[in-house]
Amino acid sequence: QQQVKQSPQSLIVQKGGISIINCAYENTAFDYFPWYQQFPGKGPALLIAIRPDVSEKKEGRFTISFNKSAKQFSLHIMDSQPGDSATYFCAASWGADGLTFGKGTHLIIQP
Amino acid sequence: KAGVTQTPRYLIKTRGQQVTLSCSPISGHRSVSWYQQTPGQGLQFLFEYFSETQRNKGNFPGRFSGRQFSNSRSEMNVSTLELGDSALYLCASSPDSRVEKLFFGSGTQLSVL
Repeated sequence: QQQVKQSPQSLIVQKGGISIINCAYENTAFDYFPWYQQFPGKGPALLIAIRPDVSEKKEGRFTISFNKSAKQFSLHIMDSQPGDSATYFCAASWGADGLTFGKGTHLIIQP
Repeated sequence: KAGVTQTPRYLIKTRGQQVTLSCSPISGHRSVSWYQQTPGQGLQFLFEYFSETQRNKGNFPGRFSGRQFSNSRSEMNVSTLELGDSALYLCASSPDSRVEKLFFGSGTQLSVL
């Protein structure tokens, strides 16, 4: 059972555009929703995270939008740059459990 | 401050063998978690150790085991390797086992032939 569904699987965006990646979860006990960025040959690195008591969190060009009733959250990358080309993973967790990850989105920013 | 260090970087084993992977967490971090990353299944949680005790375990067979030493360094062992165990094994550490402060290493790429 896939508890966190991520889409799209791959995404191509022009430089300067907005990249949007979506995730949906099933377990209503989840209380922490991070996004990770992974470059080839490296481990995932935390990008931004949100808890369900807020609907939006912004850090620089990165924004998480959270819809608790729909059990969905998304990552928006504003003014996308070629250096943002990477694989992005959404994840969720609750309590002391480990992270449950989405399958990932391969993002390519074209110059 | 050094990051999470995993050794070796690459491993090639044959089916039926066993393998041990090593992880040195960030200095001062007491929790170590292990994840398996494959193209098909993505990132999956294996287990977490805190102060030498296993606190959580994911849905993996008993062939996957781990331990943590008093200096917080951790090892992961896979016995009776199967072709499907080929994956990138990632170690992550955090100061106090909270997932909000999880830092990943670059992983050990295991290939089972």
